[in-house]
Amino acid sequence: AQTVTQSQPEMSVQEAETVTLSCTYDTSESDYYLFWYKQPPSRQMILVIRQEAYKQQNATENRFSVNFQKAAKSFSLKISDSQLGDAAMYFCAYSENFGNEKLTFGTGTRLTIIP
Amino acid sequence: DAGVTQSPTHLIKTRGQQVTLRCSPISGHKSVSWYQQVLGQGPQFIFQYYEKEERGRGNFPDRFSARQFPNYSSELNVNALLLGDSALYLCASLFGPSTPYEQYFGPGTRLTVT
Repeated sequence: AQTVTQSQPEMSVQEAETVTLSCTYDTSESDYYLFWYKQPPSRQMILVIRQEAYKQQNATENRFSVNFQKAAKSFSLKISDSQLGDAAMYFCAYSENFGNEKLTFGTGTRLTIIP
Repeated sequence: DAGVTQSPTHLIKTRGQQVTLRCSPISGHKSVSWYQQVLGQGPQFIFQYYEKEERGRGNFPDRFSARQFPNYSSELNVNALLLGDSALYLCASLFGPSTPYEQYFGPGTRLTVT
């Protein structure tokens, strides 16, 4: 079974600084998708960024970027120029191709932004 | 466009009762998935429906059931409620095979079992 591990229960960063959240996963599949979701206190799960395993290029979305290391099964999220609105729980998630899109989530990392 | 909607927002039930949670996907989305998020943990997959057929089921007891209607909305039913069923229940929708499988989540239903 696929597993997703987030080893940092909590992280904090000064406003405007950069922070990296870690995620590792285990799978025997070669084609899959990885996601970072943000869950603020409002509970709404919001997609931050997506990475297709067949793409070597790391995904970027504005201030958010990933470091995808397929051989190491590592998928970290870098947040640049941290803002107060970035404070939330961040979940790393895994899914496979069409026909098996269920998301397997990690336990989450609570990110605090220090003004 | 409206996002994924869920009802009710909050619900309090007593042990042994039954509950029905509702989800409406984004317009045009044909797949709905249900997740249970216990406080302090990541969401756990319960069910996925695509085109009104069950596509996947997580490791949950038979007390949990779901269905999808012709308009692609969905209901999650939980019978014989236990205290451990207290959680945030999330619904997610996605379009289908032509998308990069991005799932969009609703705001959730907070279920408290006393």
